[in-house]
Amino acid sequence: SQQGEEDPQALSIQEGENATMNCSYKTSINNLQWYRQNSGRGLVHLILIRSNEREKHSGRLRVTLDTSKKSSSLLITASRAADTASYFCATDPSSSGNTGKLIFGQGTTLQVKP
Amino acid sequence: NAGVMQNPRHLVRRRGQEARLRCSPMKGHSHVYWYRQLPEEGLKFMVYLQKENIIDESGMPKERFSAEFPKEGPSILRIQQVVRGDSAAYFCASSSERVKNIQYFGAGTRLSVL
Repeated sequence: SQQGEEDPQALSIQEGENATMNCSYKTSINNLQWYRQNSGRGLVHLILIRSNEREKHSGRLRVTLDTSKKSSSLLITASRAADTASYFCATDPSSSGNTGKLIFGQGTTLQVKP
Repeated sequence: NAGVMQNPRHLVRRRGQEARLRCSPMKGHSHVYWYRQLPEEGLKFMVYLQKENIIDESGMPKERFSAEFPKEGPSILRIQQVVRGDSAAYFCASSSERVKNIQYFGAGTRLSVL
């Protein structure tokens, strides 16, 4: 089964609203990352949070990590139509020996309506 | 070379043919990862290579699939005797030795098997 599972699977909001996506995982991790994928494109790295961090900010992005619950959330504030994309969480499992191998979730498809 | 280059972007093959997918990592990156993405799903790890070495191929199907990253030239993902179920987007990512955690993705190769 998937290491990371995002919810919701799909999210539709109005421009200016905040979007929150959640990710749960199963095994212990070195870090957790969020990636964005525009339709038909490759993935773009957004933010990385290490296992000993609880919260991280980058521009309009805020990521939290709760290792006791094995979950993370990605908050996009003041959303824009250009934020429309699929968002994936990816974990770097501790068991992989820090090889950089990533385990991706199924993704959340975000639609921001103008 | 601004980023990870994959070619071709689209590849059409008939059942039983061979598919060869190429990936040139970012300049200075010595780690290459291949992922497969089925429609409406997240990326599934296939293989992790360094120059001339396969480090982790735990995600590779046992038959028909092989990967290499020679000393000179791009990394190649080879699929022999393709079947319809091989139709997917194949993404390559690269990372540096210093920061293995963060991977930079190519735009992907979309393989269609007729």
